Amino acid sequence: DARVTQTPRHKVTEMGQEVTMRCQPILGHNTVFWYRQTMMQGLELLAYFRNRAPLDDSGMPKDRFSAEMPDATLATLKIQPSEPRDSAVYFCASGLGTIPTYNEQFFGPGTRLTVL
Amino acid sequence: QKEVEQNSGPLSVPEGAIASLNCTYSDRVSQSFFWYRQYSGKSPELIMSIYSNGDKEDGRFTAQLNKASQYVSLLIRDSQPSDSATYLCAVNLSGGGADGLTFGKGTHLIIQP
Repeated sequence: DARVTQTPRHKVTEMGQEVTMRCQPILGHNTVFWYRQTMMQGLELLAYFRNRAPLDDSGMPKDRFSAEMPDATLATLKIQPSEPRDSAVYFCASGLGTIPTYNEQFFGPGTRLTVL
Repeated sequence: QKEVEQNSGPLSVPEGAIASLNCTYSDRVSQSFFWYRQYSGKSPELIMSIYSNGDKEDGRFTAQLNKASQYVSLLIRDSQPSDSATYLCAVNLSGGGADGLTFGKGTHLIIQP
């Protein structure tokens, strides 16, 4: 399918609970990104993978966030424990990672997370 | 600090006119530049990419890049009400390969019928 898909689309949880978000990149794309969008901070890069290997997770709070790519069709972002300040829309994006369009990224519909 | 700056707007343009959106970035080594359109409650949609100095046209959209001045702009000709959205400028600030993008906070564009 030529779209990035994300599940769940909406998640409401209580502080302290674990949250797992999933992403299926576009078939054939070798680079997967996780972004977070809030009104105050805008769109921020959390982490990204190339050929399933993590390349940069410097944007993530390490103590509570983790990102993995168990296989080429699935990327996960986990928050444990969740906090109210984690409330945001989390986007997954994927790209081909090849010249000349190597940085073109295509976004999924996002997961809107609310932590109470 | 590496940044991408945009005027938040709102920028109000009458229908049929040219909308001009601007973006400046902080890192001279940046090599790839993008414009995304984001409707309220939706995800960013890639509308233009540009990699070299000059203009790149695609339909009613023209992206302009000036690396010496570190700015990139987007022109929308014959603006339509459906162009009303937030436009995000994105830059690969590291200048490397397929790295993550740094986004501006977006310009809210309103096309007045």
